[in-house]
Amino acid sequence: AQSVSQHNHHVILSEAASLELGCNYSYGGTVNLFWYVQYPGQHLQLLLKYFSGDPLVKGIKGFEAEFIKSKFSFNLRKPSVQWSDTAEYFCAVTPTSNTGKLIFGQGTTLQVKP
Amino acid sequence: DAGVIQSPRHEVTEMGQEVTLRCKPISGHDYLFWYRQTMMRGLELLIYFNNNVPIDDSGMPEDRFSAKMPNASFSTLKIQPSEPRDSAVYFCASPHRTGHNFNEQFFGPGTRLTVL
Repeated sequence: AQSVSQHNHHVILSEAASLELGCNYSYGGTVNLFWYVQYPGQHLQLLLKYFSGDPLVKGIKGFEAEFIKSKFSFNLRKPSVQWSDTAEYFCAVTPTSNTGKLIFGQGTTLQVKP
Repeated sequence: DAGVIQSPRHEVTEMGQEVTLRCKPISGHDYLFWYRQTMMRGLELLIYFNNNVPIDDSGMPEDRFSAKMPNASFSTLKIQPSEPRDSAVYFCASPHRTGHNFNEQFFGPGTRLTVL
């Protein structure tokens, strides 16, 4: 069965620290990959996505992610976090067979201390 | 565009009562997804529709749950009878597509359901 694993459940950082959130997926075929963010009390919003091409993708608010096919990974990074990045982050996968069905990881709660 | 609209935003009910959650997808999006978010299980896909037809309901937890999409602009998720373990945030989402590719799912604000 397809699954997505996020290694860090709760991360606490100080402002200006660098961030890396791990995401691994389990699926034998080609996938589309996403990172969503959920700010407190709000709905999920897309941060970035990977379909094909350059495995290093840039998203909104200074976030980027790198797809490493050999490792089945799609880690999210940001060089310098801000207090406003405090949120829950979800990695998600959908097979390119394209049902649109997203498989989500368990989420990582990021708390940034001012 | 108003985005995906869900109602109510909050629902508090007593065990055994019927609960109906509503969703209006983005106009022109031909798929609609219902998700449930809990602390224990994270985000789970419950069911999704294409052109108003249910395609995959394997995520629907029990017969107490049912979903309909009578037209392209409206869907309901019903729980009857509700139980405390159904307490969760229920999200509706409709994706933007380019050809066969699902570019992004747009999520509604969610309905926070509390069953006492």
